[in-house]
Formats: sequence, structure tokens, C-alpha cells
Amino acid sequence: DAGVIQSPRHEVTEMGQEVTLRCKPISGHNSLFWYRQTMMRGLELLIYFNNNVPIDDSGMPEDRFSAKMPNASFSTLKIQPSEPRDSAVYFCASSFYPDTDFFGQGTRLTVV
Amino acid sequence: AQTVTQSQPEMSVQEAETVTLSCTYDTSENNYYLFWYKQPPSRQMILVIRQEAYKQQNATENRFSVNFQKAAKSFSLKISDSQLGDTAMYFCAFNYGGSQGNLIFGKGTKLSVKP
Repeated sequence: DAGVIQSPRHEVTEMGQEVTLRCKPISGHNSLFWYRQTMMRGLELLIYFNNNVPIDDSGMPEDRFSAKMPNASFSTLKIQPSEPRDSAVYFCASSFYPDTDFFGQGTRLTVV
Repeated sequence: AQTVTQSQPEMSVQEAETVTLSCTYDTSENNYYLFWYKQPPSRQMILVIRQEAYKQQNATENRFSVNFQKAAKSFSLKISDSQLGDTAMYFCAFNYGGSQGNLIFGKGTKLSVKP
């Protein structure tokens, strides 16, 4: 398996624009996680899906953030409208509980 | 709420020497999992080692081993024979399982291995 695949690797956008981050989990994994990494807050969970159903979205900072998992092989994280404080590295991870979370390489988002 | 604390923001070690990174956590759960992840400059999160709380034996993976003290809620990582490629951020993480599988991370320790 190629591992967790995220796209794009880097994204630079202007404030107010819509941003969509994409994730393809490892085949057979039934849990998918979106994390955000910043210098100030470290790594924090945004949302977590189990069997394509959102289980915990308490980490989603605002209504500007939304996430979907239409099927077992694809998830998106959307920010609309984007703001400079959204600049961070966004990781997607997948697992088959109780196995370890496998991480994608992350998307570095810069909002100018 | 579960928390993970890494008290050493930065550490350095000479190549071939041994270094220990500290981690403490707080939980009321009895069954859980602990992890150390490595994040090199490439930013990829790489699993280093994993420990199940119900196992008394400390986990070992080649040059990496842990000292798991359940009563003290301590989970330190020992790196033996340090190599230049070990230079990275190291994150301690906790997962209590049950219906919630997400990881709770410490703030990380930046390890520099010097030649």
C-alpha cells in the first residue's frame, strides 16, 4: 500500500478564498483523522471519522471548517473563507483500531 | 481530560551516545496505548515505538526502548547509539481507545544529534 496520501503538499492562497485539502486513507482502515499542527498549539485533532461517519468534530475551530468522508477511500477538509490564522500543516491519518495511526505527509497551508 | 507533557523542549546528544526523552501523561483510564512519533524536517510523522498499558514489559525496537512506569504515569524514550539521522522532533502521544481512537500529543522535544 502507498500509505496515506494527501494533496496538495503545499497550498498558498489569499485570505477569503476557499481551500480544499484531500486525503486518501490506507485501504482497509476504518478510522480517519484530521490533525492540525502549529507552533503555538502543537498537534491537535480537528475531526475523526469511523466507518465514514463523523464521530468527534469538537476540534473543528469554527463553522468555516468542514470535513466530509463520502466513502471509505476519500476525505476532504474544506476551509471557507480562509484566514491567515489558518496557516498550518494539516495531517490526515488513518488506522484500523487498535492499530497505530498512519500519517500522510501533510499539507502546508499558507494564507496570505 | 487526558493530557501529555513533554518537559524538555530541546535536547542534544553526541553521535553514538545515549539520550532519554521524558514524557508524562494524565488519565483516569486503565487501558490505553502510548506512542513515540518522530518528525524529521521532511515533516512526515513516523511511528518509533508503541506500548500497551496492560503490558508490563517495556517495548523495544532496535536502538529505541521505553521506560514505562504506569503508576507514575511516565513513558520515557531511550535512544541508544544515537545517529545523525535521529535528529528530529519527537512527540509522545496517548490513545485511550474505546470508541475514541484519536491521539493526544505532547508539545514535542527537538533532538539534535551532533557529530
